[in-house]
Amino acid sequence: DAKTTQPPSMDCAEGRAANLPCNHSTISGNEYVYWYRQIHSQGPQYIIHGLKNNETNEMASLIITEDRKSSTLILPHATLRDTAVYYCIVRSMGTGANNLFFGTGTRLTVIP
Amino acid sequence: DAGITQSPRHKVTETGTPVTLRCHQTENHRYMYWYRQDPGHGLRLIHYSYGVKDTDKGEVSDGYSVSRSKTEDFLLTLESATSSQTSVYFCAISGQGFDGYTFGSGTRLTVV
Repeated sequence: DAKTTQPPSMDCAEGRAANLPCNHSTISGNEYVYWYRQIHSQGPQYIIHGLKNNETNEMASLIITEDRKSSTLILPHATLRDTAVYYCIVRSMGTGANNLFFGTGTRLTVIP
Repeated sequence: DAGITQSPRHKVTETGTPVTLRCHQTENHRYMYWYRQDPGHGLRLIHYSYGVKDTDKGEVSDGYSVSRSKTEDFLLTLESATSSQTSVYFCAISGQGFDGYTFGSGTRLTVV
């Protein structure tokens, strides 16, 4: 699976949109982009995933560039509870189990 | 998280003793995983299972064994615990489709 590059940390003001970038320049055609987050000492939580189209759910939006080499996770109105480490993962889909390579992620701090 | 529970949540054990961690799911998912999380290393896959009695090794499997005799239970055993196995252990489950993994709340293991 392709590896990803994320900034180690970001700050965001409460109520503003948080835009978390991810670089996955070696992504292949059958690999999806997944985002997870991990709030301190809890298990990682699935947020959203996509292949090439932009996606939105109740938690966030995912914008994938046309060449699929990068993506942005958008939290439209960040709250203090969104403070967490956010992981961008690319994962191929097959018939078997797929390991998720988490890397070190981006530590997002939402500031009051 | 709903549908997946880990036990115990915390454990302190002595070097050389056997330890078994349990992961229980109520989602009837096919795939189950054990990860460990250490500072500076992120989450690393220990073992995974793709069905009853079907398991395989992950990237850090030395010193660990697993068993899955029922769909709902995935056990991780440290045959002879060492201090290097002090870590937080997370279990995860996933289905056949493209949905994300669901993680348990973790087990904090300390080997003294």
